Amino acid sequence: DQQVKQNSPSLSVQEGRISILNCDYTNSMFDYFLWYKKYPAEGPTFLISISSIKDKNEDGRFTVFLNKSAKHLSLHIVPSQPGDSAVYFCAASANNNDMRFGAGTRLTVKP
Amino acid sequence: EPEVTQTPSHQVTQMGQEVILRCVPISNHLYFYWYRQILGQKVEFLVSFYNNEISEKSEIFDDQFSVERPDGSNFTLKIRSTKLEDSAMYFCASSQGLGGSTEAFFGQGTRLTVV
Repeated sequence: DQQVKQNSPSLSVQEGRISILNCDYTNSMFDYFLWYKKYPAEGPTFLISISSIKDKNEDGRFTVFLNKSAKHLSLHIVPSQPGDSAVYFCAASANNNDMRFGAGTRLTVKP
Repeated sequence: EPEVTQTPSHQVTQMGQEVILRCVPISNHLYFYWYRQILGQKVEFLVSFYNNEISEKSEIFDDQFSVERPDGSNFTLKIRSTKLEDSAMYFCASSQGLGGSTEAFFGQGTRLTVV
């Protein structure tokens, strides 16, 4: 089941720069997309979401972009901070139902 | 701040034994979920539960698995006869769903080790 794909297992960014995490999906029924952040030994924590009726949602340093025609979304973190270092999971749901997760991208922000 | 709580944090069990993982979802949430993450792999959906019944389940959630909401506050995952490959972090989550906020809140997870 590869409905949600994060093709980059890891990303390393310098502090203060922009982090861009990418996610692709295959199921056109998905109508709600979420990003979760996960630290070791903790459960995923919700970060930001976007409905399929929008193409952009911003929350502080975090912006999610959705390109429905390309079935692609991305998370931008500007500026990146060392505390942002974590695994980021993209997730998608259809009709308010369960989420399907991507494999995750490990972000490392270097001081 | 309301949170999802899971107990125990770590469970070690012998192969073939039954285990019950417990979760207390956020009180006004209507949808409940179990996910698991095998070490080094992706977070995988197991089952969603709404209105006292399973609303969706994955191919992982076979006859060895069951869920229950026995008393209106707890949400449990039972594995009847554990296998070595059931070793994973199991995450419970809850969401308001049904037109409310759909982001799910996760518990800290239960690490299940089958030996």
